[in-house]
Amino acid sequence: KAGVTQTPRYLIKTRGQQVTLSCSPISGHRSVSWYQQTPGQGLQFLFEYFSETQRNKGNFPGRFSGRQFSNSRSEMNVSTLELGDSALYLCASSPRGLAGTGYEQYFGPGTRLTVT
Amino acid sequence: GQNIDQPTEMTATEGAIVQINCTYQTSGFNGLFWYQQHAGEAPTFLSYNVLDGLEEKGRFSSFLSRSKGYSYLLLKELQMKDSASYLCAVRDNSGTYKYIFGTGTRLKVLA
Repeated sequence: KAGVTQTPRYLIKTRGQQVTLSCSPISGHRSVSWYQQTPGQGLQFLFEYFSETQRNKGNFPGRFSGRQFSNSRSEMNVSTLELGDSALYLCASSPRGLAGTGYEQYFGPGTRLTVT
Repeated sequence: GQNIDQPTEMTATEGAIVQINCTYQTSGFNGLFWYQQHAGEAPTFLSYNVLDGLEEKGRFSSFLSRSKGYSYLLLKELQMKDSASYLCAVRDNSGTYKYIFGTGTRLKVLA
């Protein structure tokens, strides 16, 4: 089975711009979560989507948003970029089933975003 | 609040056994995970504990005590390729948080 894929792998943006990142989960996985990883803060949870609905949200400002499509692919958008948004953005999919199993997450390679 | 603590760094010798501890505080515990992350790579899933006790998977084992808010990852027969960061994460059902990750333990395996 193909793993989680993320595009693009690298991005350089300027303060004030907006950016959209894409994630394709493992086939059959309906849950997609997004994380921000920085050296100082570690992995910070952004949000989780399941069956096209946002199920959970971390403690990030409204500039961070996302969506999930019917094929489980997900996009994350960051508007009005700030220097502090420079980070590795990781997407993870899980086979989470209705019976409350399958919570382990499989991560993509990430998108390295640099804001100048 | 919600918090996960694990040591920042550990060093061990090839062939030895190492135990990486993790303590957590959360109001809606629903499972604990261990991930391995090599430098410059994405985390990879190692183990999942939701009930108390030991889960064994080859050279890796993970233990959970929910009453103590404590887990450990045990790595046996260490190999050089085990040099990586090990992340402890908790799935939390309270508030708006879903998965809370520790900052990771950087393990160096020496020859």
